[in-house]
Amino acid sequence: QKEVEQDPGPLSVPEGAIVSLNCTYSNSAFQYFMWYRQYSRKGPELLMYTYSSGNKEDGRFTAQVDKSSKYISLFIRDSQPSDSATYLCAMKYSGGSNYKLTFGKGTLLTVNP
Amino acid sequence: GAVVSQHPSRVICKSGTSVKIECRSLDFQATTMFWYRQFPKKSLMLMATSNEGSKATYEQGVEKDKFLINHASLTLSTLTVTSAHPEDSSFYICSAPGPGGGTEAFFGQGTRLTVV
Repeated sequence: QKEVEQDPGPLSVPEGAIVSLNCTYSNSAFQYFMWYRQYSRKGPELLMYTYSSGNKEDGRFTAQVDKSSKYISLFIRDSQPSDSATYLCAMKYSGGSNYKLTFGKGTLLTVNP
Repeated sequence: GAVVSQHPSRVICKSGTSVKIECRSLDFQATTMFWYRQFPKKSLMLMATSNEGSKATYEQGVEKDKFLINHASLTLSTLTVTSAHPEDSSFYICSAPGPGGGTEAFFGQGTRLTVV
């Protein structure tokens, strides 16, 4: 079993739809959880960052972490064509100077006008 | 957020030649930088951790003599792909922890390497 599982999609939705993206993980030592957005031929950009369980909201984006289920989600409300990109979940262990991130494969999202 | 600049964004080279990719942290210092490789429809694969003033730490299976990493200053790390082969063609991305050693990582724009 891979440490982080993410359905690669592709996922296609109409403009204005609510999008739900998810990752599961196997290692309970992960404490920090991130979502990155990557446009084609570009580097990933940080969207959301959460520590441990709970919800975090930023504009149209909401990140949820459920450590008991080892499950994280990213919700996008009122999706826009400009949201079309690959979304990568990432997570890291706590403590020390270990900045290594473990990534999911990424989910390719297309929002159709 | 913090900005990491990567150059070049795209390079085409002939088999057997070497290619250098630069990664710079703008307006902040990065004692550690990471180099990733990304295949189509695949996740980011960590290749190595670049440490300022010391040797890089390579992940298992990554040839250190082929992928030379130099972290000569607190704002610059370079990855040199030596004696490139077509199978080295890929998307290479660097990242650095945010200012003050923050938990978030910030990525460069990536470099598309094509070896012909």
